[in-house]
Amino acid sequence: ILNVEQSPQSLHVQEGDSTNFTCSFPSSNFYALHWYRWETAKSPEALFVMTLNGDEKKKGRISATLNTKEGYSYLYIKGSQPEDSATYLCAFGGYQKVTFGTGTKLQVIP
Amino acid sequence: DAGVIQSPRHEVTEMGQEVTLRCKPISGHNSLFWYRQTMMRGLELLIYFNNNVPIDDSGMPEDRFSAKMPNASFSTLKIQPSEPRDSAVYFCASSFRDPTYEQYFGPGTRLTVT
Repeated sequence: ILNVEQSPQSLHVQEGDSTNFTCSFPSSNFYALHWYRWETAKSPEALFVMTLNGDEKKKGRISATLNTKEGYSYLYIKGSQPEDSATYLCAFGGYQKVTFGTGTKLQVIP
Repeated sequence: DAGVIQSPRHEVTEMGQEVTLRCKPISGHNSLFWYRQTMMRGLELLIYFNNNVPIDDSGMPEDRFSAKMPNASFSTLKIQPSEPRDSAVYFCASSFRDPTYEQYFGPGTRLTVT
C-alpha cells in the first residue's frame, strides 16, 4: 500500500492571506505527481502534473513545487480568495499505478 | 468534447438489487479509472484500465463488484448484490495514456442503497 499523505487535513485562512500545504509520497518508482482541486458537489479538476525533480508550476495565484528525492510537493496559494475554497488533492503516479491523498480542505473566510 | 460522461447521475436501489454504473471516457483517452468517494476513506481507486485491459483492480472491495471495458468508449461498474454500505459517489475518470497524465473526471453517480 502506497502512503500518500497530505497536511494539514483542513485549513481556515482569511481572505488575502497566502497559504501552503504539503503532499508526501514514496520517493521510489516515481513517475508523476498531480494536484487536483475539488469543489464541493463537483468533480476533481486537474491543476498541475509534475514529473521532474525541481519542477515548479504556476497557474495564476496558485503554484506548486516538486522534490522527488525526498518525496514531497508543496502547493502555494497567494492572496487567497473565497473562490479558492475547495479540497486540494495530490496524487502519486507510479508505474501503472495512481494513489490519491486524502486532501487538504481549504476554507477562505471573507 | 463533452468530457467524461457518466450515467445515471443518481441511483436509489434496495439492498440485494443489481446496480450498473456506466461511463464513456473522452475520445482518444487510453486509460479509464473508477473511484469511490466516501466520508471515511475519501477518494478510493477501485480499478484502472489501460487500452481496455484491467491493470490494477486491487481496490475492488469484494466479489460483489465487477468492472468491464468492452471497447475504448464504454465501461461499466456492476454491484451485485448491492448493500447499504455501498452507498457512495462513484466517479469515472479518463486520461490520455497512463497514470502520469492528468485525469479528467466525470460528474459522478450518487448511489444510495436502502
